[in-house]
Amino acid sequence: ETGVTQTPRHLVMGMTNKKSLKCEQHLGHNAMYWYKQSAKKPLELMFVYSLEERVENNSVPSRFSPECPNSSHLFLHLHTLQPEDSALYLCASSLRTGTSGNTIYFGEGSWLTVV
Amino acid sequence: GQQLNQSPQSMFIQEGEDVSMNCTSSSIFNTWLWYKQDPGEGPVLLIALYKAGELTSNGRLTAQFGITRKDSFLNISASIPSDVGIYFCAGQDNQFYFGTGTSLTVIP
Repeated sequence: ETGVTQTPRHLVMGMTNKKSLKCEQHLGHNAMYWYKQSAKKPLELMFVYSLEERVENNSVPSRFSPECPNSSHLFLHLHTLQPEDSALYLCASSLRTGTSGNTIYFGEGSWLTVV
Repeated sequence: GQQLNQSPQSMFIQEGEDVSMNCTSSSIFNTWLWYKQDPGEGPVLLIALYKAGELTSNGRLTAQFGITRKDSFLNISASIPSDVGIYFCAGQDNQFYFGTGTSLTVIP
């Protein structure tokens, strides 16, 4: 139990579907992140939110749409995805962004398969 | 963005052996973190290092923050089968950067 909970853990969707990934953190952190993890690649940062405000959008296609309604919840809305978007999507949180002495904690991940 | 060089990429060891892996970067970090990831799961934080030269243990795991602030090491002593997984490092200046991981296989 890392304090960061992701649902669903597994998702299979067609290219025309719309679905959402949900993340909740119970650590009292102010920053939340979405990462994409593909085989044999380092973690790819997608989005960063600090106090519900998006502070980084790492050139992610618009078919991925994040939403952060409060500092404890983060969503990733998915629509018209491509098969190459199949990956493990990891949510993470940290106390703050942009400063040293920070530690990032990850959720269990959501395995996404696009068919 | 910056990439961390993590080595080795994979290791196959006998149960009971010690393990060493390291990460290097081209620039200075203020924080080094080590994680373990099991198949189908998210990364779990093992050790966090916040000061150059710092040596921190967590059970059979020991990690060090290199003096140059450009590297870090993780050692596992007396490996057991449940140590199997992917270990990866992360460094932080203003943002987090991640290594590509070391895949560890422990042969009983």
